[in-house]
This record gives sequence, C-alpha cells and structure tokens, in this order.
Amino acid sequence: EVQLVESGGGLVQPGGSLRLSCGASGFTSSRYWMTWVRQAPGKGLEWVANIKQDGSEKYYVDSVKGRFTISSDNARSSLYLQMNSLRVEDAAVYYCAWYSSSCGCLDPWGQGTLVTVSS
Amino acid sequence: DIQMTQSPSSVSASVGDRVTITCRASQGISSSLTWYQHKPGKAPKLLIYAASSLQSGVPSRFSGSGSGTDFTLTISSLQPEDFATYYCQQANSFPLTFGGGTKVEIK
Repeated sequence: EVQLVESGGGLVQPGGSLRLSCGASGFTSSRYWMTWVRQAPGKGLEWVANIKQDGSEKYYVDSVKGRFTISSDNARSSLYLQMNSLRVEDAAVYYCAWYSSSCGCLDPWGQGTLVTVSS
Repeated sequence: DIQMTQSPSSVSASVGDRVTITCRASQGISSSLTWYQHKPGKAPKLLIYAASSLQSGVPSRFSGSGSGTDFTLTISSLQPEDFATYYCQQANSFPLTFGGGTKVEIK
C-alpha cells in the first residue's frame, strides 16, 4: 500500500520561506504525476501545483506563481514545494497526492502538514 | 479557469437516508469529474473518478452520474462512517479546481 507523508510545515512570518517535503513508501511508480493541494482554515480544498514524473511539465495556481516552486527527486521518491514570499493567505494544511493523468484524479493523499503564516 | 459549484453546502441526514450532492461546471468537461470524501484530520479519499467509476474498495452505496456540466454524487443509504465533507474536482484541464464542498452532518 502506498503511503505519502508530508513534512516541513511550521510557523513562518509573512515574507518568509518554507520548504515542504513529501515522501512515498510502499510502492513507487513513474506513471504518476505529483500534486500539492492545500486547505486554509475553515475553507475548502485548493489545488496548488502539479509536476510531471520527469519534471518536464509544471503547473501552478495563479496565486502562487513566481513564489512557489514544485520539484521532485524520483530517485528518493520525494516531492518538494519551496514556498517563498509567504503571505497570511498561504496559511493552510498542505497535502501531497499522486495525480493520475488517465483520470485526472488524486490518489492517494498524505495526511497533510500545517503551515502557519503570522507575525 | 473552470469554476465548480457544489450544492448544497451542507445537508443534515439520518443513517439510512439517501443523500444527493450536485456539482456544476462553468463549462463542459465531458466526464472528467472526480469525487472525494474528507474527514477532519484525515487524508482526502478518492471515491469516484470519470464521473461514474467507483474507486476500488469504495462501498457500492456511493455512485456518481452526469456529463458535460452537471454531475451528481449519491449515497444510497447513509452509514455512520459517511458523515464527512464531499468535494467534486474537475479533471478536464489545469488549473484543477474543486467545488466548495458539501458537509454531510448527522440529523
């Protein structure tokens, strides 16, 4: 069974930076893209970014373009999200998930890591 | 970007009830629609993909239907473990977008 585990969340001041990581265990496959999704307190799910298996394609939600960078290390079965110039509105639980391009669906998901942006 | 509108935002129901949640896309997305179940503190769970295909391991009381712009998730007989928030997500194009969620609460 595949398990995804996020780490790297924490408290950061506005304008600061944070790097999230997501590790996969149990099974890895080069068939899947990887995704970051977030959920702000009291809000719904919001897709943040996707990266193709080989890193050749990356997509971002408009609100994080130029500030966030998604990357992966296939040898380590790891996904990353470098978050710079953080804003209060970036505060959320961040989830990583596998994205299947055949159905456009996300499965499995990790349990999430909390990012708090506050002075 | 494709906007996804879910309704209702919340529903109160009893165990055994039939519950229907709708999701409308701002433009046609064929059958590129996915449903998730999310419980507090847990990882979201894939229920339905391609509008009507049941994910392996998901109980058959969950079903999905629709195409184009209008979609439905139905829980035929609500069970205690089904109280959660449900989200639709369009899989037609980036940016992926989610509906606002429907919270299924105990009546």
